[in-house]
Amino acid sequence: DTAVSQTPKYLVTQMGNDKSIKCEQNLGHDTMYWYKQDSKKFLKIMFSYNNKELIINETVPNRFSPKSPDKAHLNLHINSLELGDSAVYFCASSQEISETQYFGPGTRLLVL
Amino acid sequence: AQKVTQAQTEISVVEKEDVTLDCVYETRDTTYYLFWYKQPPSGELVFLIRRNSFDEQNEISGRYSWNFQKSTSSFNFTITASQVVDSAVYFCALNSNYQLIWGAGTKLIIKP
Repeated sequence: DTAVSQTPKYLVTQMGNDKSIKCEQNLGHDTMYWYKQDSKKFLKIMFSYNNKELIINETVPNRFSPKSPDKAHLNLHINSLELGDSAVYFCASSQEISETQYFGPGTRLLVL
Repeated sequence: AQKVTQAQTEISVVEKEDVTLDCVYETRDTTYYLFWYKQPPSGELVFLIRRNSFDEQNEISGRYSWNFQKSTSSFNFTITASQVVDSAVYFCALNSNYQLIWGAGTKLIIKP
């Protein structure tokens, strides 16, 4: 039974489109995250939610909007996709913000 | 400011050699946590270890060992008798002030 799952695994789309990535965790954790990993493998935190409330909102374009319908889900919606959005997006969760983060398998986004 | 430095961008060794991956961190907090994650070629991020700032005891898990030295702000990772399956990118991370700060990663190549 997968602990942190993301859908889709791969996403190929055209510039200007809107897309969503879904994340679910069955670990009972209170905190969830979205990260972006670029082609050089650098990991950057984008957002963090604790009990459905936004607690970390790094400098990310307004085109990116997270939504947490409940503690177990954190979705990422991206408007007006740009070439530079091509990356791997990871969802993660932890019990508290100082605890170990467990990662989903990643969503590989390619914008053409 | 919080920072994690992994100075070794890439290391290449022959199978069965021992290899040490360096991690140096900066923080002004007295309570913090250090992590190592592994990212194999398949792309997932795998948690390896979490260490809190009050526990300087070295840790050994099979062929893996970690050396935490507060005096030098380092948390180094050694793989003994390396195997081809150890080939991956390894990330060191610091959780300080409620945010996970990532190093740039060290790509480890184990040649048969």
